[in-house]
Amino acid sequence: QKEVEQDPGPLSVPEGAIVSLNCTYSNSAFQYFMWYRQYSRKGPELLMYTYSSGNKEDGRFTAQVDKSSKYISLFIRDSQPSDSATYLCAMTEDTGGFKTIFGAGTRLFVKA
Amino acid sequence: DAGVTQSPTHLIKTRGQQVTLRCSPKSGHDTVSWYQQALGQGPQFIFQYYEEEERQRGNFPDRFSGHQFPNYSSELNVNALLLGDSALYLCASSRWTGGLSGANVLTFGAGSRLTVL
Repeated sequence: QKEVEQDPGPLSVPEGAIVSLNCTYSNSAFQYFMWYRQYSRKGPELLMYTYSSGNKEDGRFTAQVDKSSKYISLFIRDSQPSDSATYLCAMTEDTGGFKTIFGAGTRLFVKA
Repeated sequence: DAGVTQSPTHLIKTRGQQVTLRCSPKSGHDTVSWYQQALGQGPQFIFQYYEEEERQRGNFPDRFSGHQFPNYSSELNVNALLLGDSALYLCASSRWTGGLSGANVLTFGAGSRLTVL
């Protein structure tokens, strides 16, 4: 069983739709949860970063962490064609956890 | 402000050869991590370097080795290349905060795409 599970998609939505991306994990030591966005032929770039459980909002993006269910989500409101990319969830343990574990990534296509 | 730079961008090798990939971290960053990303997969942690020492290693064989220089730049070396080593190799830099103020948030380069024939 992988430490982090993420549906690879692809997920295709019309412009303006609300997008929901999700990951589950098995390691209860994970404390930091990130979402990275990766465009084709580019390296991943950080979108959101949360610590422990709770919600965090940044513009059209909202990240949610439910540690009791070992489940994290990223919501994108008013999706745009420029949001078309691969979204990677990532996690790391608390102090001393140097390595970041990534999900497989979900490919998102937003149609104009 | 230059971000993370990696070289070469693309390279083709044959089985059994050796390859060296290079990385310059973002200004102000002192920690370098290397990741392997196979097609359609998420990045897999190879190892992390801090203060010129390998601090942690993922599940990769000893054919994968690295080095960090005093200016924080880093190299990834892969010996005895296998077809399965074909992938995008990503370098990520971060600034170590002693683990007291959050995770090491990574800044990635664009990667070096290695093809092994």
